[in-house]
Amino acid sequence: GDSVTQMEGPVTLSEEAFLTINCTYTATGYPSLFWYVQYPGEGLQLLLKATKADDKGSNKGFEATYRKETTSFHLEKGSVQVSDSAVYFCALSALTSGTYKYIFGTGTRLKVLA
Amino acid sequence: KAGVTQTPRYLIKTRGQQVTLSCSPISGHRSVSWYQQTPGQGLQFLFEYFSETQRNKGNFPGRFSGRQFSNSRSEMNVSTLELGDSALYLCASSLDPTTTTNEQFFGPGTRLTVL
Repeated sequence: GDSVTQMEGPVTLSEEAFLTINCTYTATGYPSLFWYVQYPGEGLQLLLKATKADDKGSNKGFEATYRKETTSFHLEKGSVQVSDSAVYFCALSALTSGTYKYIFGTGTRLKVLA
Repeated sequence: KAGVTQTPRYLIKTRGQQVTLSCSPISGHRSVSWYQQTPGQGLQFLFEYFSETQRNKGNFPGRFSGRQFSNSRSEMNVSTLELGDSALYLCASSLDPTTTTNEQFFGPGTRLTVL
């Protein structure tokens, strides 16, 4: 079945370090891919998305490129800030057996130290 | 436009009791999904409702049930609570669940503690 696998955390970085959080997926058909972020005490919110192969989603300095050949959607940011400390979820949305389904990864906790 | 609201925000119950959680979606959104979030299991899908009909269901026992009203508000119910039901329950609404590009908008969650 469809699934999303993302790297386990926690990831701890110093401020201004480069961030990569890996995400790979398995899906039939043509899924859309998403990154959601959850700040402490809050629900998830959409960070960025890509709806077809080679699309690049970007927002707040974060980027991710939909790579169909490697079935990946890795999240990157060139210079993290303390305020980026949160849990990041990779997700896909796909039409499976006639039903639209949303599937989330397990989440990766990021901690940025000043 | 108001976001997704969930009530109550915090709840403490004892084993064996039942609980009802409420979710009001963003105005105009007709799809509501429920998730259980725990440190050990991550984010697990419970069910999705669209126009008062359950469209999808996750792998949870029958003690977990839900419904959606004509105004798109949704409730989920957990009967015979167990200690393992302690979790953050998140509700998400979306405008058009019949497309893969659909964004989900999450509420802040209800924190349920079972003693």
